[in-house]
Amino acid sequence: GIQVEQSPPDLILQEGANSTLRCNFSDSVNNLQWFHQNPWGQLINLFYIPSGTKQNGRLSATTVATERYSLLYISSSQTTDSGVYFCAVDASNTGKLIFGQGTTLQVKP
Amino acid sequence: DAGVTQSPTHLIKTRGQQVTLRCSPKSGHDTVSWYQQALGQGPQFIFQYYEEEERQRGNFPDRFSGHQFPNYSSELNVNALLLGDSALYLCASTMTGLSAFFGQGTRLTVV
Repeated sequence: GIQVEQSPPDLILQEGANSTLRCNFSDSVNNLQWFHQNPWGQLINLFYIPSGTKQNGRLSATTVATERYSLLYISSSQTTDSGVYFCAVDASNTGKLIFGQGTTLQVKP
Repeated sequence: DAGVTQSPTHLIKTRGQQVTLRCSPKSGHDTVSWYQQALGQGPQFIFQYYEEEERQRGNFPDRFSGHQFPNYSSELNVNALLLGDSALYLCASTMTGLSAFFGQGTRLTVV
C-alpha cells in the first residue's frame, strides 16, 4: 500500500519564526489533506490540496503531485500553532485516508 | 452546521467487555469512516460505511464491527476488548472526492 512519510518528526521554534513541514508519498494520490491535531485530539482541517498552492492567513501549502510531495509553510509562528501536524492521502478517491506519523511542533514564547 | 459529533468523549471499560461508539456526520455527508489512533501514532483506518454498507476495511480483526443508519449516522462496536484497544477513536465524514471532516474523538481506556 501507499506509504506516507513526514519530516521532521519534531520541531521546536521561537515565536515569530517560520517553518516548513514536508510530506512525501509513495504513489499517485487523488486527495491530500493537512490537519492540525489540537491538545484535545480533534483533527482540524487546514488544507485540501491534491495539487497546486493554497494560502490561508499565515499558513500555506504546496503539493507537487508529479514529484509526490507536499509542503506546509507556517509563517510568524505563534504559541497556539503548537501541536501535531498530519498529512493524509487518499489514493483511491473513496475517502480512505492514509496518514503520516505526524510532525510535533512546539512554539516557545 | 454542528459538524461531526461523537459520543461519548471518554470511556473506561474492562478487558473482555464490549463497547459501542457513536458518530453523527456533518450535514450533507453520506460517508462515514472510523480511525484508531494509538498514542504517538497517526490515525489508522478501521472501516468505512456508505449507503448503510461497509464499503472498505482496514487491517482490523472481526472484533471491530460497525453500522450505518438511514440518517447516515454510524456506530463502531468492539467486542472482547483487549488492553491494546485503548486509543483515541476518530470518526470522519465526507462526500466522495471532497475533504474529510473529523469529530473530536472518543478516548477509550481498557483496564
